Amino acid sequence: EDQVTQSPEALRLQEGESSSLNCSYTVSGLRGLFWYRQDPGKGPEFLFTLYSAGEEKEKERLKATLTKKESFLHITAPKPEDSATYLCAVQAGGTGNQFYFGTGTSLTVIP
Amino acid sequence: GAGVSQSPSNKVTEKGKDVELRCDPISGHTALYWYRQSLGQGLEFLIYFQGNSAPDKSGLPSDRFSAERTGGSVSTLTIQRTQQEDSAVYLCASSSVAADTQYFGPGTRLTVL
Repeated sequence: EDQVTQSPEALRLQEGESSSLNCSYTVSGLRGLFWYRQDPGKGPEFLFTLYSAGEEKEKERLKATLTKKESFLHITAPKPEDSATYLCAVQAGGTGNQFYFGTGTSLTVIP
Repeated sequence: GAGVSQSPSNKVTEKGKDVELRCDPISGHTALYWYRQSLGQGLEFLIYFQGNSAPDKSGLPSDRFSAERTGGSVSTLTIQRTQQEDSAVYLCASSSVAADTQYFGPGTRLTVL
């Protein structure tokens, strides 16, 4: 069964304290793995797409990596404005319209 | 350019009433998705439209839920005879092609009393 699991559910960091969020997945024929950021009361905001194991993408303090079983979202020297829920989604093979979302990691960065 | 818009932003209704939720995708995007997000749950896929093809309705939880997309653009999600368990945030997303990044609207928060 295709599924996505994110850990931890919640993470509190001091400003400047680097850490990583995990997204593990089982899917038949991965077509893409997506990271989104979601602020309270808003829709998810696209961050990255990764397509193959070994691929990495960076944006400001965020870096996403992908292996055959999981993806990590590394946050370097976070700031309070990085506080949000980070969602991971995988796109399964086949028709291309099956996306599976994890329940997210709620990140709080304390000044 | 304009992103995905949804209306209303909030909807409070009484159990048993029908509701309609609207989604305006990004102009030119042919693929449109509806999701439901309940507290503590991941996004739950509801329905998918791609161009003029028949929609994928495999995620609709019951026959009280239906959706249409007129002219390949605006979509309406209709929930008939609403139940309290329908309370959730309903999110719409669009993408330029089926296998591509989805861009989300702000969602409609539905509360069924």
